[in-house]
Amino acid sequence: EAGVAQSPRYKIIEKRQSVAFWCNPISGHATLYWYQQILGQGPKLLIQFQNNGVVDDSQLPKDRFSAERLKGVDSTLKIQPAKLEDSAVYLCASSSTGAGNTIYFGEGSWLTVV
Amino acid sequence: DQQVKQNSPSLSVQEGRISILNCDYTNSMFDYFLWYKKYPAEGPTFLISISSIKDKNEDGRFTVFLNKSAKHLSLHIVPSQPGDSAVYFCAASAGGMRFGAGTRLTVKP
Repeated sequence: EAGVAQSPRYKIIEKRQSVAFWCNPISGHATLYWYQQILGQGPKLLIQFQNNGVVDDSQLPKDRFSAERLKGVDSTLKIQPAKLEDSAVYLCASSSTGAGNTIYFGEGSWLTVV
Repeated sequence: DQQVKQNSPSLSVQEGRISILNCDYTNSMFDYFLWYKKYPAEGPTFLISISSIKDKNEDGRFTVFLNKSAKHLSLHIVPSQPGDSAVYFCAASAGGMRFGAGTRLTVKP
């Protein structure tokens, strides 16, 4: 069974530029998550989708971050404009349902904003 | 959002000994708890979980203990091996999943 796929693995951009990350979850997983992990901290939930609907985006900085999962499968996370403090690993994860189930992570997309 | 706390940023143990990693939480609505292991440049990988209706779950060398009254869980690794050296994240779920800051475990040969 293929795992969670993410791209690109690494991205370096200048502040105020934009960037987009793509994620394809494990086949059949209805729930998709985007986490932000800053160096030395644990993953922080940015947004959770159930199929193509948003379940939780309370910690998403909506003035600059956006995410969509239009067909309920793959998802895109966008940052525009980027700030220096956005430098982090962006982890996509999926699970078969939202509650009481293990979530499985991709390898992450490493963003450096200079 | 400090609902899940891992107060020890690092732990060092000798190969063959027991490793005990601790985690505290504040939200009594959490009903599912997990431990993830993370190697450098990789995403976290699932290690072991426990439901709130249990107080212990064992899988090989890994055992997770849950004390609901104290809102505390721990991960025991016995015996510890050098390959266990990684960052361990505690996570708790009540729908959405929240993570602690992680504990870096070093197992010395």
